[in-house]
Amino acid sequence: GAGVSQSPRYKVAKRGQDVALRCDPISGHVSLFWYQQALGQGPEFLTYFQNEAQLDKSGLPSDRFFAERPEGSVSTLKIQRTQQEDSAVYLCASSPRDSGANVLTFGAGSRLTVL
Amino acid sequence: GENVEQHPSTLSVQEGDSAVIKCTYSDSASNYFPWYKQELGKRPQLIIDIRSNVGEKKDQRIAVTLNKTAKHFSLHITETQPEDSAVYFCAASKGNSGYSTLTFGKGTMLLVSP
Repeated sequence: GAGVSQSPRYKVAKRGQDVALRCDPISGHVSLFWYQQALGQGPEFLTYFQNEAQLDKSGLPSDRFFAERPEGSVSTLKIQRTQQEDSAVYLCASSPRDSGANVLTFGAGSRLTVL
Repeated sequence: GENVEQHPSTLSVQEGDSAVIKCTYSDSASNYFPWYKQELGKRPQLIIDIRSNVGEKKDQRIAVTLNKTAKHFSLHITETQPEDSAVYFCAASKGNSGYSTLTFGKGTMLLVSP
């Protein structure tokens, strides 16, 4: 597609529910990042994929967070047993192989509200 | 790790005035400094970036300056217009080969009054 596509745009979950957020990056982009943006804050790094390989997951806040990109294109961020502090916008971004220093194109985000 | 500080947190200007947003970073190895504009409920969009081998870059009404010695960089918007109203984020990374994650500032809400 023309841009980075994320779904759902909005998700309301009850505390304790599992959620899955999808990212469809720009076709051919090798690098894929997930960021978490709390209200009124800047995006914070969660995890990075190069093709299907998850090279960095140092930003994942707990073992309830899991991300995958099995075929090197679409990625899913899964949050198990959601907590209220997980409420945020989850941004996906992709970057082409030869972009040098990370010229990222962001998706519109998935806004998660945990009640 | 990298720490990026951004100020002011809010900035109100009259249409036609200039606006300046400043950021400092902590990691002297950082060499890539993008600026993103985020309108309410929308995706962050890259508006300008600068790499460490230059001190200034300009694109129409927008310019960015970089002082590597002092580890700070600034966004300058001239002749502001109401459509410039948004949240602006600075970021820093060490990307050259391989990858490097972007570390963002907390954002500046710019309000341009007609």
